[in-house]
Amino acid sequence: GQNIDQPTEMTATEGAIVQINCTYQTSGFNGLFWYQQHAGEAPTFLSYNVLDGLEEKGRFSSFLSRSKGYSYLLLKELQMKDSASYLCAVMDSNYQLIWGAGTKLIIKP
Amino acid sequence: TAGITQAPTSQILAAGRSMTLRCTQDMRHNAMYWYRQDLGLGLRLIHYSNTAGTTGKGEVPDGYSVSRANTDDFPLTLASAVPSQTSVYFCASSDGTGGYGYTFGSGTRLTVV
Repeated sequence: GQNIDQPTEMTATEGAIVQINCTYQTSGFNGLFWYQQHAGEAPTFLSYNVLDGLEEKGRFSSFLSRSKGYSYLLLKELQMKDSASYLCAVMDSNYQLIWGAGTKLIIKP
Repeated sequence: TAGITQAPTSQILAAGRSMTLRCTQDMRHNAMYWYRQDLGLGLRLIHYSNTAGTTGKGEVPDGYSVSRANTDDFPLTLASAVPSQTSVYFCASSDGTGGYGYTFGSGTRLTVV
């Protein structure tokens, strides 16, 4: 079967760095996505990795290792507005997204 | 602004009644999707359409039907609502080639009482 695993909840301090991990097992692989979802809102696109390595975009970076079925999202210089759920999703061989349940990130002052 | 429009934003529906959730996109995306999102369960695919005129079942299709008469519209119908269909429903679309992921509508919060 297809499976995406990520921690349910994480807590971090404003100004710090946090890493959210995601492991996956899917039928085929056409890329891994990270989305951010604030409470009561729709998910919004953060990053896309299809090749191994690190993709950096401002305060956010995403890493992929296809051989390990592993990705992480790294958030630097945390701000209160980063409090949200972060969803890991893998695009399978049919170009459909398989979703993890999301990681709720709580930022404390 | 290009994107996806969902209506209504929220609705309280009596059990046994029918309802259609509307979804319209103006990006000319081929693929469209309906998800429900429940606390602790993440996004679950209800139905999808890879192109106009075709539809497919997702992970949780029972109790729901869809149609895709044209590229822009992808309505979701609940024929006879039950309380377990209380959820937040998101419509999404993609160009079907990966890379850009999905674009989501703002969601419909449905309560079945």
